[in-house]
Amino acid sequence: DTEVTQTPKHLVMGMTNKKSLKCEQHMGHRAMYWYKQKAKKPPELMFVYSYEKLSINESVPSRFSPECPNSSLLNLHLHALQPEDSALYLCASSPLTGRLYNEQFFGPGTRLTVL
Amino acid sequence: TQLLEQSPQFLSIQEGENLTVYCNSSSVFSSLQWYRQEPGEGPVLLVTVVTGGEVKKLKRLTFQFGDARKDSSLHITAAQPGDTGLYLCAVASYNTDKLIFGTGTRLQVFP
Repeated sequence: DTEVTQTPKHLVMGMTNKKSLKCEQHMGHRAMYWYKQKAKKPPELMFVYSYEKLSINESVPSRFSPECPNSSLLNLHLHALQPEDSALYLCASSPLTGRLYNEQFFGPGTRLTVL
Repeated sequence: TQLLEQSPQFLSIQEGENLTVYCNSSSVFSSLQWYRQEPGEGPVLLVTVVTGGEVKKLKRLTFQFGDARKDSSLHITAAQPGDTGLYLCAVASYNTDKLIFGTGTRLQVFP
């Protein structure tokens, strides 16, 4: 299995809703990432988990809460989002075989719309 | 200031044409990656270049790493509509688990 899966593919939520994005990989990768991507822009890093521990938080607002239940799963919990949070949310994983390459495998993303 | 500047930002061409995309920096890197992102999908790794002056080919795509390991180019021969997408160069951060992306090049190939 060489893919990263993400659910749901599309999500529409109101500003008072609570929802979660899910990501799964079965490649044995020990690093997992959340990115936010606005239209026509490169992905922006949000969070990095290494060996199931949060290693990087790029000053993301607390309305985004990541969780790594085990080495294969990564969640992003959403609460009280703003319309400007509407974007494509990408999950990625990396084998972490040294920081020389950091080749990443991306999921198809969740298209989030906040009304 | 962006660490990795790509040019052009946008390219619109007819099927069959050739094109080159550039990724430039003032910093030296141990390796550099190229990704392609098709509309509505996540980025897909195309290649990693490691050695200065290295040339790698992937069907109609030719990737080159600059001799000084500060820049890279991607050349596409006889572009096809399936080549349409966002092309991103990226480098691994020296002492963190981050991947730093370039500014991106949007390619549109018309039939």
